[in-house]
Amino acid sequence: EDQVTQSPEALRLQEGESSSLNCSYTVSGLRGLFWYRQDPGKGPEFLFTLYSAGEEKEKERLKATLTKKESFLHITAPKPEDSATYLCAPGTTDSWGKFQFGAGTQVVVTP
Amino acid sequence: DAGVIQSPRHEVTEMGQEVTLRCKPISGHNSLFWYRQTMMRGLELLIYFNNNVPIDDSGMPEDRFSAKMPNASFSTLKIQPSEPRDSAVYFCASSLTGREAFFGQGTRLTVV
Repeated sequence: EDQVTQSPEALRLQEGESSSLNCSYTVSGLRGLFWYRQDPGKGPEFLFTLYSAGEEKEKERLKATLTKKESFLHITAPKPEDSATYLCAPGTTDSWGKFQFGAGTQVVVTP
Repeated sequence: DAGVIQSPRHEVTEMGQEVTLRCKPISGHNSLFWYRQTMMRGLELLIYFNNNVPIDDSGMPEDRFSAKMPNASFSTLKIQPSEPRDSAVYFCASSLTGREAFFGQGTRLTVV
C-alpha cells in the first residue's frame, strides 16, 4: 500500500534558523512529487513539482530536493511569513493526476 | 482568472439536513477534486473527476455523500443526511491533468 509520511509533525524556528522538512514515501512508479503550503483558513497553495531524483527547485527561501525515497524542503533563514503547514503529494504512474497529500509539517517561525 | 470558486464559504446546518457545496473550477482545467480537511485526518481526497467523469470515488466516506459534475464549469458535493461528524472544511481543486492543482478557499461546514 502506498504511504506518505511527513516529518516532523511540527517545527518551531527562530527567525533566521534554517531547517529541513522531510517527505518520505513508499510508492511504486513515482512520477513526480508536489509541494504545497497552506496558511490557516486558506486552501493549499502550490510551491513546486519535482520529477526526477537529483532534481532541485528553489523559490525565495525554500529549496526542494528529491531522491528515490524521499523529498526535502529546506527553509533557509526563515522569516515569520514562512509560517505555514507544508504538504507533499507524490504522484505515481497509476495515480498520476490524483493528489493525495501527506499529513503535513506545521512550521512556526518566531521573530 | 478568478481561481477556483467555492460556495458557500460557511455553512451551519442541523443534523439530518441536506447540504450542497458548490465549486466552479478554473476555466480550461479538466480535472477536479473534492477534499475534506479535519484536524484528526488531515486533507483527504474524496473524489476525483477527469473530463467531467468520476474517476476515483474511493475516498467518499459513505453513501450519504455524492458528487456530480454536470459540465466542465460546475461541480457539487452533496451530503444527505448530514451528521455532526461531517463537520470539516471542504476544498475543491482543479488542474490540467498531471499538472499542479489549484485550490479554492474552502467551505467550512458545521453540522449541529
